[in-house]
Amino acid sequence: DAKTTQPNSMESNEEEPVHLPCNHSTISGTDYIHWYRQLPSQGPEYVIHGLTSNVNNRMASLAIAEDRKSSTLILHRATLRDAAVYYCILRFGGSNYKLTFGKGTLLTVNP
Amino acid sequence: DAGITQSPRHKVTETGTPVTLRCHQTENHRYMYWYRQDPGHGLRLIHYSYGVKDTDKGEVSDGYSVSRSKTEDFLLTLESATSSQTSVYFCAIKKGTGGTGNTIYFGEGSWLTVV
Repeated sequence: DAKTTQPNSMESNEEEPVHLPCNHSTISGTDYIHWYRQLPSQGPEYVIHGLTSNVNNRMASLAIAEDRKSSTLILHRATLRDAAVYYCILRFGGSNYKLTFGKGTLLTVNP
Repeated sequence: DAGITQSPRHKVTETGTPVTLRCHQTENHRYMYWYRQDPGHGLRLIHYSYGVKDTDKGEVSDGYSVSRSKTEDFLLTLESATSSQTSVYFCAIKKGTGGTGNTIYFGEGSWLTVV
């Protein structure tokens, strides 16, 4: 499975944008880029996913580099509720949706 | 609301006893998954199911068995619990109609302690 590299932790201030990076230099053409987050004592929560084009939804935006070797999850205005571990995951297109989680990025949001 | 109910949510059991965790869904989704999460590790896939009586192993399946006799229930069994199986167990389902519209939703977790 192609691997991802994320910073162990990041800090942000409330109401400011947050850019969470993810490197995936060995990504293959059929790998989808998924982002999940996990709040303390809860199950992971789907955030966004994409293949080649940038994606937006009500929670976040996903910016994918043109060569697809990196991507950035953008939270437009961080809130205290966004403090969580964020996982960047590559999912092979024919994998029965099996997800391989790394250790993710712990995002701290300061009031 | 992911439409997933896990039970029990918390359990303490003794080494060597059998334990069954239940995942129940209300929306007739075909794919269901069991993951475990331990400190220092991300979530790791134990088993998954792609239909009634259709299951397959994941990354860490040793010591676990599963059954799916009906669409709505996916059972995870520890035949003889060991302390190394102390963990948080998450059930997940795949929702969507195909293509890029599919997403995975997770339950709230079952905390299992083996003493």
